[in-house]
Amino acid sequence: GDSVTQMEGPVTLSEEAFLTINCTYTATGYPSLFWYVKYPGEGLQLLLKATKADDKGSNKGFEATYRKETTSFHLEKGSVQVSDSAVYFCALADGAGGTSYGKLTFGQGTILTVHP
Amino acid sequence: NAGVTQTPKFQVLKTGQSMTLQCAQDMNHEYMSWYRQDPGMGLRLIHYSVGAGITDQGEVPNGYNVSRSTTEDFPLRLLSAAPSQTSVYFCASSPPGGGKTQYFGPGTRLLVL
Repeated sequence: GDSVTQMEGPVTLSEEAFLTINCTYTATGYPSLFWYVKYPGEGLQLLLKATKADDKGSNKGFEATYRKETTSFHLEKGSVQVSDSAVYFCALADGAGGTSYGKLTFGQGTILTVHP
Repeated sequence: NAGVTQTPKFQVLKTGQSMTLQCAQDMNHEYMSWYRQDPGMGLRLIHYSVGAGITDQGEVPNGYNVSRSTTEDFPLRLLSAAPSQTSVYFCASSPPGGGKTQYFGPGTRLLVL
């Protein structure tokens, strides 16, 4: 079945440091890939997504590129801020059945803490 | 729009008690789903619905029931709570043709003693 593996956390960085959170996946067909973020006290929010190979999703300074050859979707940001402290989840939606809904398979989440 | 709302935010139950976690959305989304999040395991799909009157099981459905009588509401029922159901529960919804993007509620934290 489908699976998503994220780098082990937690990750602790100083403000303005470079961030990479690794994500690799196993899936049949052509899944869509997502990064969701959960800030304290809030629900999960979509951060960015990519629906086909070589697509780059970007939002709020974060980027991730859909790499089919390495089955990866690593999240990067050039300069993190204290406000980026949150839990980050990599996820995929299966492409089977022609449905436009998809069922999400999540990675285990990575806790990011950014210090001033 | 309020988006996806969930109640309660936090609940403590004793083993064997029953309860219903409420989920509602005001975006006229057809697809709704329930996930549970456990430490180190990410979110796992419990049940989902592709429209009123239609529900199906996800990855971890045992111990949970759902129904979908309206487009707006998708309650999750625990008939006889067990400590293994201690978790954080998230409800999500998605529009048709929405590129598989799902919109999540703030979560319900459940503790079963």
